[in-house]
Amino acid sequence: QQQVKQSPQSLIVQKGGISIINCAYENTAFDYFPWYQQFPGKGPALLIAIRPDVSEKKEGRFTISFNKSAKQFSLHIMDSQPGDSATYFCAALFVGNKLVFGAGTILRVKS
Amino acid sequence: DVKVTQSSRYLVKRTGEKVFLECVQDMDHENMFWYRQDPGLGLRLIYFSYDVKMKEKGDIPEGYSVSREKKERFSLILESASTNQTSMYLCASSLRRAETQYFGPGTRLLVL
Repeated sequence: QQQVKQSPQSLIVQKGGISIINCAYENTAFDYFPWYQQFPGKGPALLIAIRPDVSEKKEGRFTISFNKSAKQFSLHIMDSQPGDSATYFCAALFVGNKLVFGAGTILRVKS
Repeated sequence: DVKVTQSSRYLVKRTGEKVFLECVQDMDHENMFWYRQDPGLGLRLIYFSYDVKMKEKGDIPEGYSVSREKKERFSLILESASTNQTSMYLCASSLRRAETQYFGPGTRLLVL
């Protein structure tokens, strides 16, 4: 099964709050899990990524938590800012060259 | 800095027309991809190419074809456009192992 399920579909967070987006997968052949960020009128861009041998990766205010046994991973945005308002996609890499994307989460951070 | 450019930002076509979407990357990447993006469905892979003149079907290839005659250029062709092909089309490129894909700005296609 080459699907990645993402939730929620949309999210509204107050400035300074924590934004949390969750993803789940079935296929254990996935071996790399990136998150992409897309602003209106732009293509998606890589934000942060994790490999399955690591349980957490942090870059600035962005953290990926990875639970291999549950086949779930999540993006946490600490101290969310209005400039973080964008669409976020989780993804999983299959056999080295094919990314499978989640459906996307539209994040709005209210100031 | 990697740059992926797409020939048009907006395109309006009639049902039945043949449509060409062009994509060019300047980083000598082996892989190139075409996706369509629809609300609530995320990015769905139409076709990808891992080398010149090589192509592989993605998840939704029906109604589309592709061409890669040069390493830097990957074209998506809608042989006979239909209204259900109205969408945002995104091109991307990557090195052989596609951990990081670099996307173009997208082409918003409206088929009337």
